[in-house]
Amino acid sequence: AQRVTQPEKLLSVFKGAPVELKCNYSYSGSPELFWYVQYSRQRLQLLLRHISRESIKGFTADLNKGETSFHLKKPFAQEEDSAMYYCALKGGGSNYKLTFGKGTLLTVNP
Amino acid sequence: GAGVSQSPSNKVTEKGKDVELRCDPISGHTALYWYRQRLGQGLEFLIYFQGNSAPDKSGLPSDRFSAERTGESVSTLTIQRTQQEDSAVYLCASSLTNDQPQHFGDGTRLSIL
Repeated sequence: AQRVTQPEKLLSVFKGAPVELKCNYSYSGSPELFWYVQYSRQRLQLLLRHISRESIKGFTADLNKGETSFHLKKPFAQEEDSAMYYCALKGGGSNYKLTFGKGTLLTVNP
Repeated sequence: GAGVSQSPSNKVTEKGKDVELRCDPISGHTALYWYRQRLGQGLEFLIYFQGNSAPDKSGLPSDRFSAERTGESVSTLTIQRTQQEDSAVYLCASSLTNDQPQHFGDGTRLSIL
């Protein structure tokens, strides 16, 4: 079975500090990993996907197959980064089902 | 263009009643998904529609849950004889094809009294 674990329910940092949101997964094949973000009073939206290898809003995430991790990082957090972040995995013989972690609420303090 | 639209945004009903939730996907999107999010939990997959193919219903939690989609348009999720554990936010998503990113609606917050 595939599983996504986000060990931190809450994460609080100060503006300008580095931030890392952790995501670990369990999957026997080659997964596709995503980060979704939900800002206050907005809908869930895709932040980035590992196959794109891109940086969005200063965030990056590298898939580490050895550690089965896909941590989300940003070197200098901004107040507008405060949101709920969900890590998600696509795999399991289908190419459409997403398995989500429980999410991490990031608060960036001024 | 318009994003995924869901209605109603909120629904409060008594235990034992039936409810129907609606999803309008983005025009041209062939794939449509329903998820459920209970309080403090991640999203759970419920059902997937792709064009005129048979839907993947493997995530439906019980036979009280059913969903329909007409072609590549509107979908409805029906919950019969609602129970308190059905209280959750029900999210709909659509994608251009099933290997493209999923775009989510605002969800329907369902509360069973």
